[in-house]
Amino acid sequence: RKEVEQDPGPFNVPEGATVAFNCTYSNSASQSFFWYRQDCRKEPKLLMSVYSSGNEDGRFTAQLNRASQYISLLIRDSKLSDSATYLCVVNDYKLSFGAGTTVTVRA
Amino acid sequence: DTGVSQDPRHKITKRGQNVTFRCDPISEHNRLYWYRQTLGQGPEFLTYFQNEAQLEKSRLLSDRFSAERPKGSFSTLEIQRTEQGDSAMYLCAIVMGDGNTIYFGEGSWLTVV
Repeated sequence: RKEVEQDPGPFNVPEGATVAFNCTYSNSASQSFFWYRQDCRKEPKLLMSVYSSGNEDGRFTAQLNRASQYISLLIRDSKLSDSATYLCVVNDYKLSFGAGTTVTVRA
Repeated sequence: DTGVSQDPRHKITKRGQNVTFRCDPISEHNRLYWYRQTLGQGPEFLTYFQNEAQLEKSRLLSDRFSAERPKGSFSTLEIQRTEQGDSAMYLCAIVMGDGNTIYFGEGSWLTVV
């Protein structure tokens, strides 16, 4: 089993829609969690950290469920510029990445 | 400014040649990681360093791959006798002491022809 698994998508949504997806992790001792955004042929860039209480940054909401060992990302009012691959990163000393969830927002 | 500089950004090499990539954090960081990423896949862990010590190597890191971090600052990743399957982006990342801040380099693209 992979340390981190994500739904690869692709999620193809119209502008203004809400899209949400999850990431599961296997190491219960993992300490911190992140969502990164990666554009084609670019390095990953931090979107947001994920805290136990859940956190929101503008149109983006992240949740952590330690009991079920998953994190989620929700994008509200999606914009064309949100089209990217979203990587789940788990800090389990090895910094394990998911394979990414591709989101395409269409006009 | 990502806090991490990688060099070269792009490298085209013939199969069988050796290549070396360098990762330079702007400041001292305890943990430094190397990843390999191919198109359509997430970054795959290769190895990481705590200061000078290489603490873990992925099974992806065959004996043709070697990484060093001689002074606990910059790191090098060498691939010997390159194969076409080595074509990928090689990413370096550093983790701040609190474990909650990660910086990535812009990656080094390798094409083996």
